[in-house]
Amino acid sequence: AQSVAQPEDQVNVAEGNPLTVKCTYSVSGNPYLFWYVQYPNRGLQFLLKYITGDNLVKGSYGFEAEFNKSQTSFHLKKPSALVSDSALYFCAVRVGKRDDKIIFGKGTRLHILP
Amino acid sequence: SQTIHQWPATLVQPVGSPLSLECTVEGTSNPNLYWYRQAAGRGLQLLFYSVGIGQISSEVPQNLSASRPQDRQFILSSKKLLLSDSGFYLCAWSPLRRVLIPASEQYFGPGTRLTVT
Repeated sequence: AQSVAQPEDQVNVAEGNPLTVKCTYSVSGNPYLFWYVQYPNRGLQFLLKYITGDNLVKGSYGFEAEFNKSQTSFHLKKPSALVSDSALYFCAVRVGKRDDKIIFGKGTRLHILP
Repeated sequence: SQTIHQWPATLVQPVGSPLSLECTVEGTSNPNLYWYRQAAGRGLQLLFYSVGIGQISSEVPQNLSASRPQDRQFILSSKKLLLSDSGFYLCAWSPLRRVLIPASEQYFGPGTRLTVT
């Protein structure tokens, strides 16, 4: 079965420190992976995606993600956290071909401490 | 540029009443459309998706239904709401698939907060 897991419910990071939000996946075939962010009472915003090519993907707001095929991981990273990065982060993997259907992880709440 | 609208933003409905949530997309043609429900500010559950007018796929059996009467309009309905239908409902779209693009991201609307009392 295809799935995506976010092992941490919450991550706390001090402002200015690097942050990592973890994601692992299980798919048949090529993995197409996504990260989204959600601020309170808002819809999800697309951050970045991995389709093919470089294992380090750069996205919006200074975020990047590292694809690791051997570890089946796609961790979200940022070199220096901002308080405004505090939000709910979702990892997702595509499971449908024509319809671009995706499944989401349960989400990780990121708290950046001032 | 493309824009996705959802309304209403918030809704309080009694148990047993009908429901109609609307989603429209501007600035694109033939989008894939999706309805999700998010409970308790956490995971998203895909409810319905559509790859074209009148083409609806249901992911989870429930008392909700969806329709796509026009290319860029997606409606979520219920004849009789249950308490368990409360949640945050999100509509999303993704671009028409092109041969050289193996996967497209989805773009989300602002959501509708539904409270069933």
